[in-house]
Amino acid sequence: DGGITQSPKYLFRKEGQNVTLSCEQNLNHDAMYWYRQDPGQGLRLIYYSQIVNDFQKGDIAEGYSVSREKKESFPLTVTSAQKNPTAFYLCASSIRTSGGAHTQYFGPGTRLTVL
Amino acid sequence: QQQVKQSPQSLIVQKGGIPIINCAYENTAFDYFPWYQQFPGKGPALLIAIRPDVSEKKEGRFTISFNKSAKQFSLHIMDSQPGDSATYFCAASKWETSGSRLTFGEGTQLTVNP
Repeated sequence: DGGITQSPKYLFRKEGQNVTLSCEQNLNHDAMYWYRQDPGQGLRLIYYSQIVNDFQKGDIAEGYSVSREKKESFPLTVTSAQKNPTAFYLCASSIRTSGGAHTQYFGPGTRLTVL
Repeated sequence: QQQVKQSPQSLIVQKGGIPIINCAYENTAFDYFPWYQQFPGKGPALLIAIRPDVSEKKEGRFTISFNKSAKQFSLHIMDSQPGDSATYFCAASKWETSGSRLTFGEGTQLTVNP
């Protein structure tokens, strides 16, 4: 069963704690992405990675960190430096087709709540 | 400025109506324009996408119209159904050496009444 899995589905964090969100894909996609979604807003890019051991900051990287040690995995750590982490976090992956399209496919998301 | 502006914010139509959602972009380097559909608590799912060299694309009941000179594109949903009630996002991207970054509109919450 191919796709993108994210875990956990719901996550609760106390203030001052770091938490790590998991994202795994078995689509053999090269690129992976993390987005944050707040109520009534569009998706904002946190980090993205085109290849293993390489990643770039997106528009709202402050307070977050990532790693890309394996092609299939792209975990996101929400650090205590992120002042307003309560949000819906979405992971995506993409591959560029021979026609030039670079479609992104999304996982089911993790809802993080800070207590 | 890599912005995508989407309107309206919310839209209510009757079953069988044709909701139209509009997006405008600024960066002429964008070369790919997808639309995503998102149900509550779920991740967005790709609905349909278009490249700048095409003015219109249809897939089932969904049609994208693209106006390159005006830097605008829109989604039309023919014969809308209550099951189409969801949030719709337009997006735009350009291929960069470090991957493809999607810039999203703010979303349109569509309600189709029975």
